[in-house]
Amino acid sequence: EVQLVESGGGLVQPGGSLRLSCAASGFTFSSYWMSWVRQAPGKGLEWVANIKQDGSEKYYVDSVKGRFTISRDNAKNSLYLQMNSLRAEDTAVYYCARSISGGHYSDYWGQGTLVTVST
Amino acid sequence: QSALTQARSVSGSPGQSVTISCTGTSSDVGGYNYISWYQQHPGKAPKLIIYDVSKRPSGVPDRFSGSKSGNTASLTISGLQAEDEADYYCCSYAGSYTWLFGGGTKLTVL
Repeated sequence: EVQLVESGGGLVQPGGSLRLSCAASGFTFSSYWMSWVRQAPGKGLEWVANIKQDGSEKYYVDSVKGRFTISRDNAKNSLYLQMNSLRAEDTAVYYCARSISGGHYSDYWGQGTLVTVST
Repeated sequence: QSALTQARSVSGSPGQSVTISCTGTSSDVGGYNYISWYQQHPGKAPKLIIYDVSKRPSGVPDRFSGSKSGNTASLTISGLQAEDEADYYCCSYAGSYTWLFGGGTKLTVL
């Protein structure tokens, strides 16, 4: 059974940093693109970042470029999102997702971890 | 880039059909066939229900169908059931390895 479990969310002050983790199991992690998608409270979904199977390609939505870094450790079956210079508008539930078809679709999702940026 | 445009809400009675539209531009919806739809129940993670415009993942009922015409993609749900009440989001490839979601449509089954 495919499982994705996010962790690392919490309350952080504006300008602060946070590192999200996603533990994957039930599939060959190193064979899949992975994604982070976020959802602000009461709002819609927003694609945040994608990473290729071997980590050689990484892509970001414009609003997080230069502040967020997606990475993975295939030996640990783990996906990460390092978030720096956090802003109030980054407040959201962050979902980790397995992606297929070259990263175009996310067929399995975790339950999400809430990040709140506030004083 | 702006989110794709979806109606905020749509409703239908059990057994009826409803169509949810997703409008973009020639740079996203109109330019690629990498269109997907996700269903999200309250407090739950999204679920992929349509990909490649009209394909259904294994386990998704054939009551769900997708199509595209020009810059608009559509999701049709036929034979509405109570459990179909959820939020629905379209998603399109927007070039340069970026993806756009729609704002979401809340489906109410009357």
